[in-house]
Amino acid sequence: DGGITQSPKYLFRKEGQNVTLSCEQNLNHDAMYWYRQDPGQGLRLIYYSQIVNDFQKGDIAEGYSVSREKKESFPLTVTSAQKNPTAFYLCASLQVRGGELFFGEGSRLTVL
Amino acid sequence: DQQVKQNSPSLSVQEGRISILNCDYTNSMFDYFLWYKKYPAEGPTFLISISSIKDKNEDGRFTVFLNKSAKHLSLHIVPSQPGDSAVYFCAARKYGQNFVFGPGTRLSVLP
Repeated sequence: DGGITQSPKYLFRKEGQNVTLSCEQNLNHDAMYWYRQDPGQGLRLIYYSQIVNDFQKGDIAEGYSVSREKKESFPLTVTSAQKNPTAFYLCASLQVRGGELFFGEGSRLTVL
Repeated sequence: DQQVKQNSPSLSVQEGRISILNCDYTNSMFDYFLWYKKYPAEGPTFLISISSIKDKNEDGRFTVFLNKSAKHLSLHIVPSQPGDSAVYFCAARKYGQNFVFGPGTRLSVLP
């Protein structure tokens, strides 16, 4: 079945450590996105990529980094520079010409 | 400045009745709107969309209404079921740009 796979679903890390969240899609979608969800704040865009080897900052990119070496994959690294990394992270994809965003199941990161 | 607003953080409805979730936007250039449903610790699931050339779209128990002059859209769920209890997000986009999400409304359907 086509879809988006995020891993791990739950992740605990100590303060000061970098963490990489995986996102893989087999929908053959061109664009991929990373969102962060905090209680009562909706979904905020971290980074997005519309084509391989290219990506742009979203609204809250500070403290995060991404890469897009393959169409199917868009990993997100939460660096130690991110001041409040504990959150629920969502990866999504989209055909560039339109339609709706497809979301993965999410990854919950807790920094101790 | 929030471009997409969902002014009701929560809503409770009796099973079998209609649920009406509201969404307001400020950018008159938005031309495509989506509704998503989200359970805790899961990714959002797409429910229904509407383009700005329409004022209504229906899919089973779900109907979305768009009032462009008021910059307002609403999602109607009839009849409401306990399994509809979730957080509902509306999202809007101008063609070629990224979607902007509202903060969500938590719907509780009481048996």
